[in-house]
Amino acid sequence: QTVVTQEPSLTVSPRGTVTLTCASSTGAVTTGHYPMWFQQKPGQAPRALIYGTSDKHSWTPARFSGSLLGGKAALTLSAVRPEDEADYYCLLYFGGAWVFGGGTKLTVL
Amino acid sequence: QVQLVQSGSELKKPGASVKVSCKASGYTFTRYAINWVRQAPGQGLEWMGWINTNSGISTYAQGFTGRIVFSLDTSVSTAYLQISSLKAEDTAMYYCARDTAQHDYWGQGTLVTVSS
Repeated sequence: QTVVTQEPSLTVSPRGTVTLTCASSTGAVTTGHYPMWFQQKPGQAPRALIYGTSDKHSWTPARFSGSLLGGKAALTLSAVRPEDEADYYCLLYFGGAWVFGGGTKLTVL
Repeated sequence: QVQLVQSGSELKKPGASVKVSCKASGYTFTRYAINWVRQAPGQGLEWMGWINTNSGISTYAQGFTGRIVFSLDTSVSTAYLQISSLKAEDTAMYYCARDTAQHDYWGQGTLVTVSS
């Protein structure tokens, strides 16, 4: 059973920068895992932010960026705003199936 | 504009079945797959699988085989998730999401509660 691991929680100050990561139990995350990132606020459906490691949707704010970092997928938020407080999930592809990470609860404080 | 609109909340007894719908609009339905995602109360997202809206072929994630079936009615641009022999642990919010490669547009979710 493939496990995708994210930081359970992170705290960042307004206007700061934070990086969330997404690791695979099978080894290094690569572009072949087509990493995606989603934001979910309480009581709302998830919202897609990043696909294909670093591609943004038309609605994705410029302060969000995706990359690969040290064998993991990464989501970096720059110039963080209070409204960025949310749960963030990564999604990785494993040859026919997708697996979500456990999610990171981001607090802006 | 692209929209996925899901059916309303369901309250079911253990052992019953439920069918959740996901109606698409604003694009050609058969051009993009539909994925299904489960979120138990207070828990994370779980990818359940996807259905190819062109061929009707489904792929189910490990742990979601046996009691779930994805289906389509392309005449009304709607995908369905059916869960049979419901158990208390099936209580969750169920989401549909468009396009396996991007999971770009999501339905608002359907809450299924299983309780006697």
